[in-house]
Amino acid sequence: EAQVTQNPRYLITVTGKKLTVTCSQNMNHEYMSWYRQDPGLGLRQIYYSMNVEATDKGDVPEGYKVSRKEKRNFPLILESPSPNQTSLYFCATQSSVGTEAFFGQGTRLTVV
Amino acid sequence: SQQGEEDPQALSIQEGENATMNCSYKTSINNLQWYRQNSGRGLVHLILIRSNEREKHSGRLRVTLDTSKKSSSLLITASRAADTASYFCATDDGNDMRFGAGTRLTVKP
Repeated sequence: EAQVTQNPRYLITVTGKKLTVTCSQNMNHEYMSWYRQDPGLGLRQIYYSMNVEATDKGDVPEGYKVSRKEKRNFPLILESPSPNQTSLYFCATQSSVGTEAFFGQGTRLTVV
Repeated sequence: SQQGEEDPQALSIQEGENATMNCSYKTSINNLQWYRQNSGRGLVHLILIRSNEREKHSGRLRVTLDTSKKSSSLLITASRAADTASYFCATDDGNDMRFGAGTRLTVKP
């Protein structure tokens, strides 16, 4: 079964405490991306990766890091989370940009 | 910045009526897609239309694309209560994919 798995689904953390949200896909897709969703703003792209070891900034990369050491995993790292990073985060994968995107179930992050 | 802007922001109709949502975008695109999201869950792909296509159908969905006006519309015919969700358009230029803010559709039984 084609799957995009994000963990954790819910997370409450404190300002400044480093955290990682994992994303794993079993579809052998080249293209992976991270989005954040905030009320009234839709989905905004944080980072994307066209292939292993190739990552690029999206529209809102500040405060985030990513890595793509292997095709199936694309973790999102918040080195020093702040309250303005409280949001709903989605990982998505595509065989290539411009094809159907498959989304994870989302991670609801609260930074206090 | 957002590439697509959906219109209206919210739409409320009765079951059985048709629902039309519009999407406008700013720059040239390769493809435009529509997605659906049930409250707080992951987005689900509905339909993709390429820049050289003008219209596409999938079941009760009809999508049109007018590249001269940089706009697209999604028509859902004979709506059902289960169609209640948020609908997003997404465009790509070959490098990344950008979403609009979405239309919240409510279908009343």
